[in-house]
Amino acid sequence: KNQVEQSPQSLIILEGKNCTLQCNYTVSPFSNLRWYKQDTGRGPVSLTIMTFSENTKSNGRYTATLDADTKQSSLHITASQLSDSASYICVVTYGGATNKLIFGTGTLLAVQP
Amino acid sequence: KAGVTQTPRYLIKTRGQQVTLSCSPISGHRSVSWYQQTPGQGLQFLFEYFSETQRNKGNFPGRFSGRQFSNSRSEMNVSTLELGDSALYLCASRDQGATEAFFGQGTRLTVV
Repeated sequence: KNQVEQSPQSLIILEGKNCTLQCNYTVSPFSNLRWYKQDTGRGPVSLTIMTFSENTKSNGRYTATLDADTKQSSLHITASQLSDSASYICVVTYGGATNKLIFGTGTLLAVQP
Repeated sequence: KAGVTQTPRYLIKTRGQQVTLSCSPISGHRSVSWYQQTPGQGLQFLFEYFSETQRNKGNFPGRFSGRQFSNSRSEMNVSTLELGDSALYLCASRDQGATEAFFGQGTRLTVV
């Protein structure tokens, strides 16, 4: 069964601290994996995309990793800011030419001052 | 380029009524997908349309239906509303062959 699981479900950290969000997937065939950020009351926005051949990619204070062998990805946030408070959703594209998307349930991150 | 536009932004309906939500995709995007988002459930896939044809369908009852017009605009209809249908409904559009979905702001539906 194709599925994407994220952990933790929610996370509270203090401003300035680092954190890591996890995404495990079981899909076939795998095309790519995206991390989306969803601010409260808004639609998700893509942060980064990871393809099969990529191990790590950074976008400012966000660093995503992908281990295609273990089918795991992580999103590391460095020096968190209040504006990082949001839901982070892992989305995997699979199915070859059909380009199907499957969404994780997200990690709700709260950054406190 | 204008982003994905969803209307209305907020809606309050009574149990048993029906509702129609609208989505205008990014110009040139022919794929439109709909999602239901509730706290703790994450994004649940409803259906995807491409060139006026339903390409994929999620696991929702037949009360949820959709359609896409020749200009790629899409509508989603929910009939016989239930309290559990209260959610944020998100629409996303994609370019042909692309994997990045661009989301609208969503329609917040409250059923009372």
